[in-house]
Amino acid sequence: DAGITQSPRYKITETGRQVTLMCHQTWSHSYMFWYRQDLGHGLRLIYYSAAADITDKGEVPDGYVVSRSKTENFPLTLESATRSQTSVYFCASSERTNTDTQYFGPGTRLTVL
Amino acid sequence: AQSVTQPDIHITVSEGASLELRCNYSYGATPYLFWYVQSPGQGLQLLLKYFSGDTLVQGIKGFEAEFKRSQSSFNLRKPSVHWSDAAEYFCAVGTGTASKLTFGTGTRLQVTL
Repeated sequence: DAGITQSPRYKITETGRQVTLMCHQTWSHSYMFWYRQDLGHGLRLIYYSAAADITDKGEVPDGYVVSRSKTENFPLTLESATRSQTSVYFCASSERTNTDTQYFGPGTRLTVL
Repeated sequence: AQSVTQPDIHITVSEGASLELRCNYSYGATPYLFWYVQSPGQGLQLLLKYFSGDTLVQGIKGFEAEFKRSQSSFNLRKPSVHWSDAAEYFCAVGTGTASKLTFGTGTRLQVTL
């Protein structure tokens, strides 16, 4: 049982390049989330999805795009990466709503040069 | 909008000593409250959660937390800390009307032998 996986685990890119971070869960959870973790800010929600083809903005959505064509996948794309997007990105899933436990992936450490 | 404050950025305790990590929230109604733990290089793992009922909640790894409405607090406690408890701890609040959590900035726990 793989649970929730993220790829790549580490990524270095340059300013202006497009980057896609992948997230895959094997539980068929309805909800999926993308967070970024920065020192002094804790975790901040970027986007979330309640089901396939349903997405909504979180606290810090600017510069990011998401899609969810299949329940199990929730990719996060940085269309034109900036240095301020250097961060650790976590994907999470939960069965129904925020009242359910969120299960987190191992994270992707992204560095934008 | 809800918010979470973890006033202690860093705490050091000796192995075997008791532990209390503070969490204060801001929300008009009864919140859903969570404590997560993050070990170095890992994703977040749920320790415990409070939705309703008994205000003293038991979690995994010997942790417990008490919801105090009058103080808007949800402090995490452990009677005897083990070296393996060294990690970062996050308090989070959710509401019944939104499918997302708001996280605090975290408290880093160091355990000395």
